[in-house]
Amino acid sequence: AQSVAQPEDQVNVAEGNPLTVKCTYSVSGNPYLFWYVQYPNRGLQFLLKYITGDNLVKGSYGFEAEFNKSQTSFHLKKPSALVSDSALYFCAVRDGRRTGTASKLTFGTGTRLQVML
Amino acid sequence: KAGVTQTPRYLIKTRGQQVTLSCSPISGHRSVSWYQQTPGQGLQFLFEYFSETQRNKGNFPGRFSGRQFSNSRSEMNVSTLELGDSALYLCASSAGFAGGSQETQYFGPGTRLLVL
Repeated sequence: AQSVAQPEDQVNVAEGNPLTVKCTYSVSGNPYLFWYVQYPNRGLQFLLKYITGDNLVKGSYGFEAEFNKSQTSFHLKKPSALVSDSALYFCAVRDGRRTGTASKLTFGTGTRLQVML
Repeated sequence: KAGVTQTPRYLIKTRGQQVTLSCSPISGHRSVSWYQQTPGQGLQFLFEYFSETQRNKGNFPGRFSGRQFSNSRSEMNVSTLELGDSALYLCASSAGFAGGSQETQYFGPGTRLLVL
């Protein structure tokens, strides 16, 4: 079974400071990892994904994430936070084996990011 | 390209009724997945359709069902509604090629269902 853990319910950071939202995963095969953001009363917006290759993945709106296989982590980062980044962030994993269950995304519980002036 | 669209956006039903939600995927996408989002359980996978066939299913009771049409549009139906079915129902589409593990799922805005 695959699972995702987001250990922090909320992360508070001052505008202009770097931010990190943590994610660890568990999957049997190769992990395919995704980050999504959700604004109030909206669906999920795709930020970035790791499939293979460079461990540092760059995505939308200046976000990036670092894949660490030994620590089974995929933390989301941004060098300088904006107030408009305040939202709910979800990490998700999919098993890389090409089976009938390949399409299922398993999400973490979400981390609320609050960026303060 | 237009994004994933879902209708209706909001819905109020009473216990025991049934409801049908609709999802139109991004043009050219053949896979549609459905998720339920609640404060208590988070985001949970319901099922996925590809080329009018259910390809994957989550752990939900048989009251939850879906289908996909030849134009890739999908509907999900919940019969005999319970209070606990109140949730945001999200639809996601992807190209849907074989395996599809690497594909990104793009989500619609969701349908918020309130069961009274």
